[in-house]
Order: sequence, then structure tokens, then C-alpha cells
Amino acid sequence: AQKVTQAQTEISVVEKEDVTLDCVYETRDTTYYLFWYKQPPSGELVFLIRRNSFDEQNEISGRYSWNFQKSTSSFNFTITASQVVDSAVYFCALSELNNTNAGKSTFGDGTTLTVKP
Amino acid sequence: DVKVTQSSRYLVKRTGEKVFLECVQDMDHENMFWYRQDPGLGLRLIYFSYDVKMKEKGDIPEGYSVSREKKERFSLILESASTSQTSMYLCASTSGETVYEQYFGPGTRLTVT
Repeated sequence: AQKVTQAQTEISVVEKEDVTLDCVYETRDTTYYLFWYKQPPSGELVFLIRRNSFDEQNEISGRYSWNFQKSTSSFNFTITASQVVDSAVYFCALSELNNTNAGKSTFGDGTTLTVKP
Repeated sequence: DVKVTQSSRYLVKRTGEKVFLECVQDMDHENMFWYRQDPGLGLRLIYFSYDVKMKEKGDIPEGYSVSREKKERFSLILESASTSQTSMYLCASTSGETVYEQYFGPGTRLTVT
């Protein structure tokens, strides 16, 4: 069975600090996808990134970067020079590629990030 | 711009009422999902559908049913609402071609009194 663990329930930082959100996953499949979503106070989850299990390259997008390490089953998310607008709940998710999946994802419990001015 | 819409942002119902939550997507997606979100529990999958008239139970289907008569519409039904079903309900959709990200609606905050 697949499982996603986000050990950090809440994180609070001061603006301009760097912050890393941890995500550890469990799966028996060799082919799977990992995702990060952001849920701002307005409530709608927004997709941030998708990574497949064969692509371990790190990704950088502006102030956001993602570190995927299969050896430790982790897919961590770093925000550099955090801003107040980064305050949100962030979810990590895992989806296995198989015929019965229908695109289902298993979500972690989320990490609430608060960035203070 | 892709869109998933939900019929209500806020809803207040009484215990025992039958409640319908509607979700519509305009992306021609095959797969649609209903989740509930509660503090500290993340997103829990109630039901999902991978085609018209097809449905599968998720992790917490008890007390819920669903209907998918058209590809773009996925309805969640609470046959007899209870206070334990007070929650935020999120609808999502994704393409059936491979594993893609899910697109979410704005959510419906349901309160059952």
C-alpha cells in the first residue's frame, strides 16, 4: 500500500528565511509519480509540480526547488527567501501507475506554513 | 483556463436531510474524485469515477453515494446527513491518459446541524 508522510504539521518562519517542507513516501511500485500542491487560505488546491520515479533531477522554479531522492524515498520542497504570500497548506501526494489507479493519489496530511512579515 | 466548479461554497443542512454536492469540470477529464478535508487528517478520498456511470469506493465511502451520468459532472450524495459529515468537501478531476496532476474545485464547506 502506498503512503505519504509529511512529518511537519506546522512551520512558522519570518519573511526572507528559507524553509524546507519534508515528504517521505512508501510504495511497492517501480513506476510512480510524486506531486506537490499548495492550498492558500482561499481553499483551492493548486498544483505545483509533478515528478516521475525515473527522473531524479532536482527542479528549480523561481524561489521554489524540489529535491527528489529515491534512495531515501523523499521528495522535499524548499522555498527560498520566503514571502508572506507563501503562507498556505502544502500537500505532497503519490500516484502509482497501474491499470486500476484511475489517477488516484494518496495525499500526505499537509504542512501548514506561516510566513510572518 | 481549466476549471472545476462546485455548486456551493458554503452549505448548512439539518441532520437527516439528503444533501447533493455537485461538481462540474470543463476539461473533458475521464477521472473525477470527491475528498473530504478535516483538520489534521489531510485529504481523504470518498469516491472516484473513471468513466460515465462508473464509480469506485475510496477510503471513507460510508454514508455517501455518488452519481456520474455525464462525463463533466460528478455528484456526491449524503443520503441522511449527520453532524459527523460536517467538513470541507473537495472535488477534483484528472485526465485518464496517464498519471497527471489533479485539478481541484474551490471546495464546499458543509455544516450539518
